[in-house]
Amino acid sequence: GDSVTQMEGPVTLSEEAFLTINCTYTATGYPSLFWYVQYPGEGLQLLLKATKADDKGSNKGFEATYRKETTSFHLEKGSVQVSDSAVYFCALSDRGTGNQFYFGTGTSLTVIP
Amino acid sequence: DTGVSQDPRHKITKRGQNVTFRCDPISEHNRLYWYRQTLGQGPEFLTYFQNEAQLEKSRLLSDRFSAERPKGSFSTLEIQRTEQGDSAMYLCASSLATDTDTQYFGPGTRLTVL
Repeated sequence: GDSVTQMEGPVTLSEEAFLTINCTYTATGYPSLFWYVQYPGEGLQLLLKATKADDKGSNKGFEATYRKETTSFHLEKGSVQVSDSAVYFCALSDRGTGNQFYFGTGTSLTVIP
Repeated sequence: DTGVSQDPRHKITKRGQNVTFRCDPISEHNRLYWYRQTLGQGPEFLTYFQNEAQLEKSRLLSDRFSAERPKGSFSTLEIQRTEQGDSAMYLCASSLATDTDTQYFGPGTRLTVL
């Protein structure tokens, strides 16, 4: 079945450090891939998405490239800020399974000044 | 604010009691989804509606769980005879049927079963 595996946390970085959160997936159909972010006390927010192989999603300095050959969708940011502290979820939506979302377990990021 | 809203935000109940949660989606969205999120895990799909029709249910949705969307607008999720294992955050999301890739999530209802 469909699933998402993402890097376990927690991750602690200094401000302006480079961020990578790994995400790999298994899907039976043609998935769209997403990164969601959950700030403390808030609901899930869509950060970025990619709907087909080799697409790059980007938003707020974050990027992720849909790599079909490695079934990966790693999240990167060149210079993190304290305000990026949150939990990040990788997810997929597979049109072959009714568009329900499959989420990873989440990676907690703390950025220290 | 025209986002997805959920009520209540927190619910504490005793084992064996029934609870009901409400979700109000974004007004023009015809798809509505329910997810459950336990501590340290990502959200898990429970069920979804297109308008008033419930189109899919996860095997996670036991017979004690029932969801409705009677007029194709708000939805309710009821849990009967609650168990401690039902303690979780219950999330609602909505989308357009023409853009199911973009789901907007509500803040969730945190259920604690004592």
